[in-house]
Amino acid sequence: ETGVTQTPRHLVMGMTNKKSLKCEQHLGHNAMYWYKQSAKKPLELMFVYSLEERVENNSVPSRFSPECPNSSHLFLHLHTLQPEDSALYLCASSQVAGFNYGYTFGSGTRLTVV
Amino acid sequence: AQSVTQLDSQVPVFEEAPVELRCNYSSSVSVYLFWYVQYPNQGLQLLLKYLSGSTLVKGINGFEAEFNKSQTSFHLRKPSVHIRDTAEYFCAVSSNTGNQFYFGTGTSLTVIP
Repeated sequence: ETGVTQTPRHLVMGMTNKKSLKCEQHLGHNAMYWYKQSAKKPLELMFVYSLEERVENNSVPSRFSPECPNSSHLFLHLHTLQPEDSALYLCASSQVAGFNYGYTFGSGTRLTVV
Repeated sequence: AQSVTQLDSQVPVFEEAPVELRCNYSSSVSVYLFWYVQYPNQGLQLLLKYLSGSTLVKGINGFEAEFNKSQTSFHLRKPSVHIRDTAEYFCAVSSNTGNQFYFGTGTSLTVIP
């Protein structure tokens, strides 16, 4: 149990579907993140939330829409995705929005777009 | 800006043998350095980190890493590996002044019985 729970673990969706990824942390952390992990590429930071406010958006396409209703929950809403969006999506949290404190990662959602 | 290079994409090693996973970074400012491990079908877990102080950092599961500023390296070592160490290992760097955190492309360690 890592303290950061992601659901679902696996998701297959068509390009016209709408789905959501969920992340939940019970660590009392104030910052949460979405990362994309593609094979043989560095992890890509997608979104950063600190105290429920978005503080960074690394030029992510609008077909990805994050939502942070409170400091314990983070969602990633997906719509009209492309096959190249297939990847492992990782959620992470940290005590504060500082990369030097080290993250706690979830186990990820394996997304396949068909 | 910072960047991270993991020189070996795959490292096979026999059980109980020593291993070194290489990581080099580039940065114009002081950096903090990290190693994460990802076991199959799991998220990333922090192995160890260097923020300041002693250049030899000890982490979990018997791993250690040495910060070498002159060579801009932060290689990960373990004197005797186990089957359970088979995993993907990621080096990462962040600036102590900026708001960026860069991961390497990972090294796949396979421990052979």
